[in-house]
Formats: sequence, structure tokens, C-alpha cells
Amino acid sequence: KNEVEQSPQNLTAQEGEFITINCSYSVGISALHWLQQHPGGGIVSLFMLSSGKKKHGRLIATINIQEKHSSLHITASHPRDSAVYICAAGGNNDMRFGAGTRLTVKP
Amino acid sequence: EPEVTQTPSHQVTQMGQEVILRCVPISNHLYFYWYRQILGQKVEFLVSFYNNEISEKSEIFDDQFSVERPDGSNFTLKIRSTKLEDSAMYFCASSIPQGGRGYTFGSGTRLTVV
Repeated sequence: KNEVEQSPQNLTAQEGEFITINCSYSVGISALHWLQQHPGGGIVSLFMLSSGKKKHGRLIATINIQEKHSSLHITASHPRDSAVYICAAGGNNDMRFGAGTRLTVKP
Repeated sequence: EPEVTQTPSHQVTQMGQEVILRCVPISNHLYFYWYRQILGQKVEFLVSFYNNEISEKSEIFDDQFSVERPDGSNFTLKIRSTKLEDSAMYFCASSIPQGGRGYTFGSGTRLTVV
């Protein structure tokens, strides 16, 4: 069983739609990370969460520690949000990565 | 905004050759990491480095791999004798232990072993 599971694997949305990507983990964590990987391969850290909820622009990340579950929401999605979104769980010393969710937002 | 810089962006090497991948982490960060991503697969942790020593490494990080922080600014990953299966994108990252938005990743080095 994978330590970090993401769903869905692929997601296609129309511009303006509300997007939710889910992540479940089985490892113990001190933080959960949401990352964005662009088509060229570069990775950007979006959020690091240890509890509750964080918001940055149109992006919202939540985590439920008891249920070992996190969600990434994108409001008013835009074609430039098209990327692979990766959940990663771990501590300071390592991270375990999910396989990623490929999001395509169509105009 | 501060960046993690990786060089080269793409390296092609012959099987059996040694390669050194270079990274310049963000200057006030304390933890440094190497990850790899084989094409079409998920990102995998290789090694973390803190206080001038390895703090954790994965089963992938065998004796063929080593890391070094030779001069207080660079952080290098050396692969002694490359194999075809070492072909991957290698990402360096750095972090401060607490707070902020977490890790900052470099843009990666694509290593191709032929």
C-alpha cells in the first residue's frame, strides 16, 4: 500500500470551476505539503500544513490530522492552473510523495 | 524571492562515469535535500543533510551516492559510477525547520545516462 494516496489521478475542468484534490496518508507526519509541478518539470511548494487550513490567493489547503486526510481546493480555476499537484507527507528529514494529480483546466 | 539554484539543467553522461550535480540552497536555510523523479514516476526522497552531515537517507541512496557541502554555499550530489537506471530528474531543496511555506525546490537537473 502506498504511504500517500492521491485522488483523482487525472482531472479535467472548465475554466471557473471549483477544484478539489484529495490526499490520504498512512505515515506519521509533522507536516503535509502540497506541491505544484509544471509541465517543464519544476516544482513549487504551495503549502506546508500541520493543522487546520491555509489560504493563498485562490488556493486553499485543509488537513484533518485524526483522519489523516488533506484536500487542496482551487477556486475560480484558470487554464494557467493546469499542472500536476503533488501531496507529500513527512517531517523535516524526509517526505513521502503521492503520485500526483494531473489537472487540466480548459478555457 | 530567494531561489534554490541547480546546475547544470541537463547533463548527459556515459554509463560508468561519475557525475556531480550542484545546488546552491537559500542562504538562511538549514536543511538540504536531494530528490529524484524517474520519468513518469513519482518523486522519491534520496537524502537529507543538516549540520554538515546526513540526517536521513532512503534505500535508494546506496554507496554509489554521496553528498557534500564543500564551501558553505554549494550542496552537491555525486554519483560515482552511473547506471542507466540513474537517468532521472534530480531536485535539490532546502528548508528552515519551522514555519513559512515549507520547502523551496530548485528547478532540477535532468540526468541522462547513455
